[in-house]
Amino acid sequence: QVQLVESGGGVVQPGRSLRLSCAASGFTFSSYGMHWVRKAPGKGLEWVAVIWYDGSNKYYADSVKGRFTISRDNSKNTVYLQVNSLRVEDTAIYYCARGPHVAVVTAIDYWGQGTLVTVSS
Amino acid sequence: EIVLTQSPGTLSLSPGERATLSCRASQSVSGSYLAWHQQRPGQAPRLLIYGASSRAAGIPDRFSGSGSDTDFTLTISRLEPEDFAVYYCQQYGGSPPYTFGQGTKLDIK
Repeated sequence: QVQLVESGGGVVQPGRSLRLSCAASGFTFSSYGMHWVRKAPGKGLEWVAVIWYDGSNKYYADSVKGRFTISRDNSKNTVYLQVNSLRVEDTAIYYCARGPHVAVVTAIDYWGQGTLVTVSS
Repeated sequence: EIVLTQSPGTLSLSPGERATLSCRASQSVSGSYLAWHQQRPGQAPRLLIYGASSRAAGIPDRFSGSGSDTDFTLTISRLEPEDFAVYYCQQYGGSPPYTFGQGTKLDIK
């Protein structure tokens, strides 16, 4: 069965960095794009970034552009989110999610359980 | 960027009643690439509906989606206790960003 397991969250001071990871299993990882989505306390879901199945295209929400970088290692079935210059408003649960298939447009159909990032001085 | 506006913000209903949730897009959603996700407290979201009207695997048939272009609806025919949660629409066609609506909270009356 499809499994997505995030890690790398924690408490960090404003301006610092973290690298979030998401280990995937149960499907052909190299055939799917992958998303990061976050949910801040008391707010709704916010789409953060997507990376194509082969890493050829990457897109970001305006709120994180220039600070966050999505990447993947298909040999390790893992997608990453490098989060730099963290702000208090980046505090959220970060979810990875399975995204567009190589051949067809697909919705997010599987979600991980999330990893909590808290930005606080 | 496509902005999705969900209404109402909160919907208070009783088990057994019918729920109708709305999602309106600021511009046409290409290919009806519109999904609905459910998030229960303390849980990860899960996909309910994709392509505006197709149920995801394992989703009960009391959930149905409809609509096209800029107006979409999620209907829950008879509410079960486990259906009280927050519901989000998301568009995933065309070029990113793949925005979410702000959510509709379904409360027990």
